[in-house]
Amino acid sequence: GDSVTQMEGPVTLSEEAFLTINCTYTATGYPSLFWYVQYPGEGLQLLLKATKADDKGSNKGFEATYRKETTSFHLEKGSVQVSDSAVYFCALSVLTGNTGKLIFGQGTTLQVKP
Amino acid sequence: KAGVTQTPRYLIKTRGQQVTLSCSPISGHRSVSWYQQTPGQGLQFLFEYFSETQRNKGNFPGRFSGRQFSNSRSEMNVSTLELGDSALYLCASSLTAASNYGYTFGSGTRLTVV
Repeated sequence: GDSVTQMEGPVTLSEEAFLTINCTYTATGYPSLFWYVQYPGEGLQLLLKATKADDKGSNKGFEATYRKETTSFHLEKGSVQVSDSAVYFCALSVLTGNTGKLIFGQGTTLQVKP
Repeated sequence: KAGVTQTPRYLIKTRGQQVTLSCSPISGHRSVSWYQQTPGQGLQFLFEYFSETQRNKGNFPGRFSGRQFSNSRSEMNVSTLELGDSALYLCASSLTAASNYGYTFGSGTRLTVV
């Protein structure tokens, strides 16, 4: 079945370090791919998305490219800030006829130290 | 533009009781989905509603049910609560069902079963 695998956390970085969070997926068909972020005590916020192969999603300095050949959607940021500390979820959309749902990875906790 | 509103934010219930959670989607959004988030199982899809009809259901027992009203507001109900139902319940809305463009999540309802 469809699934998403993220690198295990927690990831601890110093401020201004480069961030990569790996995400790979298994899917039948051509899903859209998403990164969501969850801050403590809050719901999920859509960080970026890509709807087809080779698309690059970007937002707030974060980027991810939809790589069909490697079934990957790795999240990157060139210089992290303390305020980026959160849990990051990679997800894919599964559409079946007239309905859909998101399948999430297990989440990766990022801690950025000053 | 108001976001997705979930009420209540926190709930404490006793085993065997039932509970109803509410979700008001973004104005104009007609699809509402529900997800359960636990430390052990992560984020799991419960169901999706569109135009007052359940379009899709996840792998949860029949104790979990929901409905959607004509104004797109949705409720989910859990009967005969078990300790394992303790979780963060997240509601997400989108313009249409089977959305490939992402969902907007609410802040969630934290349910604790004692």
